[in-house]
Amino acid sequence: NAGVTQTPKFRILKIGQSMTLQCAQDMNHNYMYWYRQDPGMGLKLIYYSVGAGITDKGEVPNGYNVSRSTTEDFPLRLELAAPSQTSVYFCASSPSSILFFGPGTRLTVL
Amino acid sequence: GIQVEQSPPDLILQEGANSTLRCNFSDSVNNLQWFHQNPWGQLINLFYIPSGTKQNGRLSATTVATERYSLLYISSSQTTDSGVYFCAAKRSGNQFYFGTGTSLTVIP
Repeated sequence: NAGVTQTPKFRILKIGQSMTLQCAQDMNHNYMYWYRQDPGMGLKLIYYSVGAGITDKGEVPNGYNVSRSTTEDFPLRLELAAPSQTSVYFCASSPSSILFFGPGTRLTVL
Repeated sequence: GIQVEQSPPDLILQEGANSTLRCNFSDSVNNLQWFHQNPWGQLINLFYIPSGTKQNGRLSATTVATERYSLLYISSSQTTDSGVYFCAAKRSGNQFYFGTGTSLTVIP
């Protein structure tokens, strides 16, 4: 099992550009999550999904969108990137109780 | 949401020393996890411990749900234990709330 994979590992965007952060898991987990981690801070939930076709907002959803068309994939879309979205983004999946994290994507918006 | 506070924020230990990290949460929870973020940024699940005590090698954790806190014990610390330790708590629903972490540095 590859576990939770994320691409890209690093990305630099200009203000106003858009991009999609990819997340995939091969463990057949129903629950998937997107978090952002700002320097010296804990993780804040952006969006989550309890299964294919079902998504919901977390604490900090503004400026982001998600979709969940399959159990395996949970992409995060940034529209009109802003400097405030500079962060490390983590995707996680869970069968029910335990979170498994991907390696993260470091995004810089200049 | 749940307020999760961790202490101490920073900790420096000599190799071989023991330490206790604390996680307080503001409401009753049905899920409490401890994570280690290594210096390369990877988050690894250490314990799922909504209540009681668990041990895994040099690490152990205790959650006293009725008093709303959890403790992570690290014994005979090694340099590879360095990194940031997070706790995350969940009540009902699907949202986990993370503390701001304890940054641990183990020096040889």
